Amino acid sequence: DAGVIQSPRHEVTEMGQEVTLRCKPISGHDYLFWYRQTMMRGLELLIYFNNNVPIDDSGMPEDRFSAKMPNASFSTLKIQPSEPRDSAVYFCASSSESSGANVLTFGAGSRLTVL
Amino acid sequence: AQKVTQAQTEISVVEKEDVTLDCVYETRDTTYYLFWYKQPPSGELVFLIRRNSFDEQNEISGRYSWNFQKSTSSFNFTITASQVVDSAVYFCALSEMNTGFQKLVFGTGTRLLVSP
Repeated sequence: DAGVIQSPRHEVTEMGQEVTLRCKPISGHDYLFWYRQTMMRGLELLIYFNNNVPIDDSGMPEDRFSAKMPNASFSTLKIQPSEPRDSAVYFCASSSESSGANVLTFGAGSRLTVL
Repeated sequence: AQKVTQAQTEISVVEKEDVTLDCVYETRDTTYYLFWYKQPPSGELVFLIRRNSFDEQNEISGRYSWNFQKSTSSFNFTITASQVVDSAVYFCALSEMNTGFQKLVFGTGTRLLVSP
C-alpha cells in the first residue's frame, strides 16, 4: 500500500487566498484525521471522520476552516480566507476499526506558508 | 482533562549510549491508551507502540523498550545502544474512553540527537 497520500507537500500563498489540502487515506481504513503541527501549539487534532461522516470537529479553529470527505478515498481541508497564523504543517492520518481505530498512519504532511 | 507532558525538550547523546525519554500523563479516566510516535527529519509521524491502561507489562522490541507505571502516571521510552538513525522527535500521546479513543492528545515532543 502506498500509505496516506497528501498534496500538495508545500504551499505558499498570500493572505486572503483560499487554500485546499488533499488527502487519500489507506484503502480500507474507516477513520480519517486532520492534525495541525506548529511550534507554538504542537500537534492538534482538527477534525476526524468515521466512514466519511465528520464525528468531531471541535478542534477546527474557526469558520474559515472546513473539511469534507465525499468518499472513502478522498478528503479535503479548506482554509478560506487564509491568514499568516494558519502557517503550519497539516497532517492527514487514517486508521481502521480492526486495529482499534487509534493506531494512526500519518501522511507526509502539507507545509503551508501564508505570507 | 487529559494532558501529556514531555519535559525533555532536547537530548543529545553519542552513538551507543542508552537514552530514556520521559512521558508523564494526566487523565481522570480509568480506561485509556498510551502511544509513542517517532517523527524523523522527513516529517512523517511513525507509530511505535500502543499500550492500554490495563496492561502494565513492560515491552521490549529490539533496542526499544517501554516502561509503563500507573503509580507515577509515566510511560517512558528507552533506546538501548542508540544509533544515528534514531535521531528524530519522539512524541508520547494519550487517548481516553471519555473523550473517545480515537482522539489522541500529543505531548510537545522530545528531540533526540544521536551523534557519531
